[in-house]
Amino acid sequence: AQKVTQAQTEISVVEKEDVTLDCVYETRDTTYYLFWYKQPPSGELVFLIRRNSFDEQNEISGRYSWNFQKSTSSFNFTITASQVVDSAVYFCALSNDRGSTLGRLYFGRGTQLTVWP
Amino acid sequence: NAGVTQTPKFQVLKTGQSMTLQCAQDMNHNSMYWYRQDPGMGLRLIYYSASEGTTDKGEVPNGYNVSRLNKREFSLRLESAAPSQTSVYFCASSQTSGDTLYNEQFFGPGTRLTVL
Repeated sequence: AQKVTQAQTEISVVEKEDVTLDCVYETRDTTYYLFWYKQPPSGELVFLIRRNSFDEQNEISGRYSWNFQKSTSSFNFTITASQVVDSAVYFCALSNDRGSTLGRLYFGRGTQLTVWP
Repeated sequence: NAGVTQTPKFQVLKTGQSMTLQCAQDMNHNSMYWYRQDPGMGLRLIYYSASEGTTDKGEVPNGYNVSRLNKREFSLRLESAAPSQTSVYFCASSQTSGDTLYNEQFFGPGTRLTVL
C-alpha cells in the first residue's frame, strides 16, 4: 500500500526563520516518484518538485531545498529565510510504478505553514 | 495555453439534485484525474482516466460517475447529491505514457461545491 504521512498539521514561524516540512512515505515499489505541491490561500495547487526513487541527490532552488533519504523513507522540504508569501498548505505526494495505477498520486494530509511578518 | 480549466467555480445544490463538473486540458496529456479535498484530509482520488475511453475508480468513487469524452475532456457527475459530497473538487492531468513518463500533475483551479 502507498501512504504519505505529514505529521505536522500546522507550523507558524516569523519571517526570515528557516522551516522544515516533514514527509514520510511508505511503498513496496522500487520505482516511485515523490512530489511537493503548494496550495496558497487562493486555492490553486502549484507543483514544486518531483524526485524519482533512484535520485537521492538533494536539490536546491532559491530559498527552497529538498532532502530525500531512502533509508528513512523521508522527503523533507526546507524553506530558508521564510517570507509571508510562503504561507500556504504544502502537500507531499507519492506516485508509483504499477501499471494499474500508473501516475496516480497519493497525497499526505498537508501542512499549513503560516509565516508572520 | 490555458492548462486545465474547470467549470463551474462555485455551485450550491440541494440534496438529491444532480450536476456535472466539467474539466478540459489543452496540454495533450493522456491521463486525467478527479480529486476531492476536504479539510484535514488532503486530496483523495475519485476517478481517473489513463487514456481516452478508459476510466478507473480511485479511493472514494461512491456517488460519482465520470466520462472521458475525448482526450481533452473529463467530466464528473453527481447523480444524486448528498451533503457528504460538499467539498472542493480538483481536476488534474498528466502525461503518463511515451517518452515523458511520470510528469507532474497539473491541476485546475477547483470547484467549490456545497450540498444543502
